[in-house]
Amino acid sequence: GESVGLHLPTLSVQEGDNSIINCAYSNSASDYFIWYKQESGKGPQFIIDIRSNMDKRQGQRVTVLLNKTVKHLSLQIAATQPGDSAVYFCADSGAGKSTFGDGTTLTVKP
Amino acid sequence: NAGVMQNPRHLVRRRGQEARLRCSPMKGHSHVYWYRQLPEEGLKFMVYLQKENIIDESGMPKERFSAEFPKEGPSILRIQQVVRGDSAAYFCASSPSRGRNSGNTIYFGEGSWLTVV
Repeated sequence: GESVGLHLPTLSVQEGDNSIINCAYSNSASDYFIWYKQESGKGPQFIIDIRSNMDKRQGQRVTVLLNKTVKHLSLQIAATQPGDSAVYFCADSGAGKSTFGDGTTLTVKP
Repeated sequence: NAGVMQNPRHLVRRRGQEARLRCSPMKGHSHVYWYRQLPEEGLKFMVYLQKENIIDESGMPKERFSAEFPKEGPSILRIQQVVRGDSAAYFCASSPSRGRNSGNTIYFGEGSWLTVV
């Protein structure tokens, strides 16, 4: 079956540094991906999305890169701040249900 | 514009009791999804509903779990005869109309935390 997985369960960065969170997916037909941020005790919050006809999309301090050849996407956070500390999920959100990876816990050290 | 509303936020049930979790989608959204999240894990899809229809229930346990999204009122996730293993956070999400072959962003509520004692 299709699956989505993250490369590292935890990531610790220094405040002000850039963060890169990676994700791999298995379904080559997947055409829409979303990154979510989940803080403790809260629901997932939409960060940024990308469709398969793009390989890069930028938001405010965040960039998502999609490599369809190796079925890999990444989330880059520029100038990471303490408020960025959370669990980050990538989701394969094509037609029908969204499939989530297990998440990467980002910890920002002051 | 209110987001996805879930209640109760926290629910404690004894083993064998029933749990009912409610979800009101965002205004204008006609699609509802339920996910379960165990501690330290990702979100696992349970069921996808439109008004009065279950579209995909491939993630629902075969017994004790049911979901509905009536014409009027919120979507309900019902767990009968709860067991300790049902303790988890249950998240509801909603989206506007979804094309058959196109993705669509789903927006999550803040979750309902079920504890079975």
